[in-house]
Amino acid sequence: GAVVSQHPSRVICKSGTSVKIECRSLDFQATTMFWYRQFPKQSLMLMATSNEGSKATYEQGVEKDKFLINHASLTLSTLTVTSAHPEDSSFYICSAGGGTGMNEQYFGPGTRLTVT
Amino acid sequence: KQEVTQIPAALSVPEGENLVLNCSFTDSAIYNLQWFRQDPGKGLTSLLLIQSSQREQTSGRLNASLDKSSGRSTLYIAASQPGDSATYLCALNTDKLIFGTGTRLQVFP
Repeated sequence: GAVVSQHPSRVICKSGTSVKIECRSLDFQATTMFWYRQFPKQSLMLMATSNEGSKATYEQGVEKDKFLINHASLTLSTLTVTSAHPEDSSFYICSAGGGTGMNEQYFGPGTRLTVT
Repeated sequence: KQEVTQIPAALSVPEGENLVLNCSFTDSAIYNLQWFRQDPGKGLTSLLLIQSSQREQTSGRLNASLDKSSGRSTLYIAASQPGDSATYLCALNTDKLIFGTGTRLQVFP
């Protein structure tokens, strides 16, 4: 099956700093990648949809200037959390569309962000 | 607005039992429906995908059904095992995935 990786798997940063999370599709080209956030004991909430070579589409309530998304190639999308605050601490998961199966998405292992 | 609800929210059973997890949704205009498994602190593992035109899919001890007219999907787990313990999420694909609230399953020996 299709493999999606995320890096780092876990990161701790101080308030006010920026953190970049990478999402890579390892064995297929992903024209579309998705970023989700998951708070403890809650379900996944879609933050934004990124298409290769174009601007990301953000869901309502998600600040585009705070969560910068870049999808520069068909195998890499990055999410940068700028000026991080403790309330940004969460589990961030990406997924990539493509590969076999109509509209099926393949998920990365997630990144645990802790802002102190 | 599409709303996806999963019942029960939590379930604890002895191993060997056959289980039914429920997922209900409000808008039947979907491309497909997926069932995922999530272990604590981990990402998602896709279990089954049912296309809009299909009624069920099977993989090993898992069987998922889809009834768009009633806005329901069920995940049936046969002969449950402790290794099945995880959170199970259903997700509807309408150009983007909308996740259900999840069912936390614990299967004890």
